[in-house]
Amino acid sequence: ETVLTQSPATLSLSPGDRATLSCRASQSIASYLAWYQHKPGQAPRLLIYDASTRATGIPARFSGSGSGTDFTLTISSLEPEDFAVYYCQQRNNWGGTFGPGTRVDIK
Amino acid sequence: QVQLVQSGAEVKRPGSSVKVSCKASEGTFHSFGYSWVRQAPGQGLEWVGDIIPLFGTRDYARNLQGRVTITADESATTVYLELSSLRSEDTATYYCARKPAVRSYFMDVWGEGTTVAVSS
Repeated sequence: ETVLTQSPATLSLSPGDRATLSCRASQSIASYLAWYQHKPGQAPRLLIYDASTRATGIPARFSGSGSGTDFTLTISSLEPEDFAVYYCQQRNNWGGTFGPGTRVDIK
Repeated sequence: QVQLVQSGAEVKRPGSSVKVSCKASEGTFHSFGYSWVRQAPGQGLEWVGDIIPLFGTRDYARNLQGRVTITADESATTVYLELSSLRSEDTATYYCARKPAVRSYFMDVWGEGTTVAVSS
């Protein structure tokens, strides 16, 4: 069973700051990792898939990197609408699909 | 742009069942996979299960095995989630989501969510 962990649990930043979010898999998942943004009262939004490919319509300030067990989501310069919870997700298996999330809130 | 339109909020008693629907507004229904994901109050996202209508295959979260059933009606372009023997911990917002290809692992289009409250 592959388990995803995310760090930090909470990131307190200001608009314009750079955000670096980490997702670690308990065993190699190659590049089969996606990132989602989730705001209260809204559906999750796909940001990145295959570790580094931006989904349609996602601004260039969002980027993903990594492979194997260590992955990073970077937001180069936070906009007010970027404050949300971010989840990583692996290919489905019995171990559970999503990481526990990182909350990015306003400092 | 395809939309997934979910059925309305439900309030259920413990031990009962609930069936939530998710209708795809357009597109080739059987070209995609579909997932259900839930979020309990104050918690993160939890994968519930998948269906690939083209192959008729289903996959469920281990902790829900035996209580969850996902079905699809291609003629109605609708996917259904049924959860039985409801418990208070099943209280959550349930999202359906589309996978862009039958073998995809990620979800690119999401429904608006259906709130299911389980309370005596």
